[in-house]
Amino acid sequence: AQSVTQLDSQVPVFEEAPVELRCNYSSSVSVYLFWYVQYPNQGLQLLLKYLSGSTLVESINGFEAEFNKSQTSFHLRKPSVHISDTAEYFCAVSFMDSSYKLIFGSGTRLLVRP
Amino acid sequence: EPEVTQTPSHQVTQMGQEVILRCVPISNHLYFYWYRQILGQKVEFLVSFYNNEISEKSEIFDDQFSVERPDGSNFTLKIRSTKLEDSAMYFCASSEVGLAEAFFGQGTRLTVV
Repeated sequence: AQSVTQLDSQVPVFEEAPVELRCNYSSSVSVYLFWYVQYPNQGLQLLLKYLSGSTLVESINGFEAEFNKSQTSFHLRKPSVHISDTAEYFCAVSFMDSSYKLIFGSGTRLLVRP
Repeated sequence: EPEVTQTPSHQVTQMGQEVILRCVPISNHLYFYWYRQILGQKVEFLVSFYNNEISEKSEIFDDQFSVERPDGSNFTLKIRSTKLEDSAMYFCASSEVGLAEAFFGQGTRLTVV
């Protein structure tokens, strides 16, 4: 069965500390992988994506994620977080089985404290 | 930068009433989607639409739901007879091709009372 798992519902971290938000998926077909961010009372914004090529992808605001096919993971990392990074982060997967829908994980709330 | 726009941002309706949520996808996109997010829960796929017909729908998308592209720009989601459990944030999304980045609108918060 195809599924997306974000094990951590909330990750509290101090400002300027590193953070990793975990995402694992289950699939028998190839996948495209995405991280979306949702700031309070706002919509979903694409943070970064893996479609093909280099397994390490980066965003413009310092986040990176690495596609690990053997571990079926796409963890999101940032070496030093800011207060403004406080948001809900959703991992999403598109399974290449002729369906174009996104399957979302349950989300991880990143709470950055001063 | 092109964006997906949704109206209204917030809709309050009485149980049993019909609601229409409106979306204007990005102009050169061909694939359109509706997702919903019940408060505090994950984002769930409802329906995808391509070439003027539904390409896939989830089990949530029952006979009370319908989608339409009435003209060249709008994409609507209709709920015929709303229930309390339809209260959620509804997101419209569009993508240029099927297996590509989906751009999401800001969402419509539907409250059924």
